[in-house]
Amino acid sequence: SQTIHQWPATLVQPVGSPLSLECTVEGTSNPNLYWYRQAAGRGLQLLFYSVGIGQISSEVPQNLSASRPQDRQFILSSKKLLLSDSGFYLCAWSVQGASYYGYTFGSGTRLTVV
Amino acid sequence: KQEVTQIPAALSVPEGENLVLNCSFTDSAIYNLQWFRQDPGKGLTSLLLIQSSQREQTSGRLNASLDKSSGRSTLYIAASQPGDSATYLCAVKSYNQGGKLIFGQGTELSVKP
Repeated sequence: SQTIHQWPATLVQPVGSPLSLECTVEGTSNPNLYWYRQAAGRGLQLLFYSVGIGQISSEVPQNLSASRPQDRQFILSSKKLLLSDSGFYLCAWSVQGASYYGYTFGSGTRLTVV
Repeated sequence: KQEVTQIPAALSVPEGENLVLNCSFTDSAIYNLQWFRQDPGKGLTSLLLIQSSQREQTSGRLNASLDKSSGRSTLYIAASQPGDSATYLCAVKSYNQGGKLIFGQGTELSVKP
């Protein structure tokens, strides 16, 4: 069966520090991968998605970047965090090329920038 | 551009009551619609997935319906329990937005014993 892992679960970082959040998927190959952010009192916003190694699409201009160094690994990064980067970050995967498949989400990372 | 709206934003009911959560979307060109549950501080758990060609899906006490032509879905919860308390999110996989999943703002449900 397929599983998705995110870490860390919680993170408190000072303004201006770097960020690296990791997501891995097991039990499938060549998945579509997604990073979402959920700010307090707001819905989920798609930040990045990837259809393959090294292929990243950005949905919103921002202080963050994403990379996919391996087929089932998706990383969210920042060189210098802003207060506005605080939020709940969720990674998700879906089967590529199968429109009828739904999305499966990880357990999320709570990021607080202080 | 696809927009998803959920009504009500919050709902409080006594235990045992049957309830309906509503979801509407502006573009009927969808692949499917998913209902998720989110507990405080946790990730999203998929409850039901309805394909665009389907009218409803059932899982235990949950029943989700889809009327694609009118852009509406409902999530029916029978005999609610305190353990059902959570935020329920509706999301559509939008054809005209490259298959991306577009979310509503959610309905926060509280079931009181």
